[in-house]
Amino acid sequence: GESVGLHLPTLSVQEGDNSIINCAYSNSASDYFIWYKQESGKGPQFIIDIRSNMDKRQGQRVTVLLNKTVKHLSLQIAATQPGDSAVYFCAENTPPYDKVIFGPGTSLSVIP
Amino acid sequence: DSGVTQTPKHLITATGQRVTLRCSPRSGDLSVYWYQQSLDQGLQFLIQYYNGEERAKGNILERFSAQQFPDLHSELNLSSLELGDSALYFCASSVAQGSYGYTFGSGTRLTVV
Repeated sequence: GESVGLHLPTLSVQEGDNSIINCAYSNSASDYFIWYKQESGKGPQFIIDIRSNMDKRQGQRVTVLLNKTVKHLSLQIAATQPGDSAVYFCAENTPPYDKVIFGPGTSLSVIP
Repeated sequence: DSGVTQTPKHLITATGQRVTLRCSPRSGDLSVYWYQQSLDQGLQFLIQYYNGEERAKGNILERFSAQQFPDLHSELNLSSLELGDSALYFCASSVAQGSYGYTFGSGTRLTVV
């Protein structure tokens, strides 16, 4: 069945460094991908998205890369800050876009 | 504040009991989605409603049911509760039936003892 998985369950980075969180997906029919950030005690919060007709999209301090050939996407966070500490989920959506499927999540810890 | 309101925030109940979780979607959103988040299962899609009608179903147990009312708020009913039902339950909403991404509420933490 369809699934979205993460290579690294935990990631620790030094404040100011760049962070890279990776994700693999298995459903080749998925054409829309989203990264969510979940802080303790809160619901998932949209960070950035990308459609399958793109391979890169940039936001404020974040970049998402999509490699459809190997079904892989990544989230890059520039100049990581303590406020970036959270669990990050990649998620995919597939026509008719009636449910977002989440990966297991990566916990990002920023070391001051 | 995301605009999606979930109540209660915390709920402690005994095995075998029944509870109702409530969700008010963001103003203007017609679709409501329910997710269960447990430590070993991650975020699992349960069910979607659009404008009062069920539109998509995930791995929702038969002991669980949901509905969306004319004012668009939704309720998730969990019955014959088991210890394994302890989890965070999130509601999300979106404008359309088929939407790329959603806005999530802060969740209801259910503890079954």
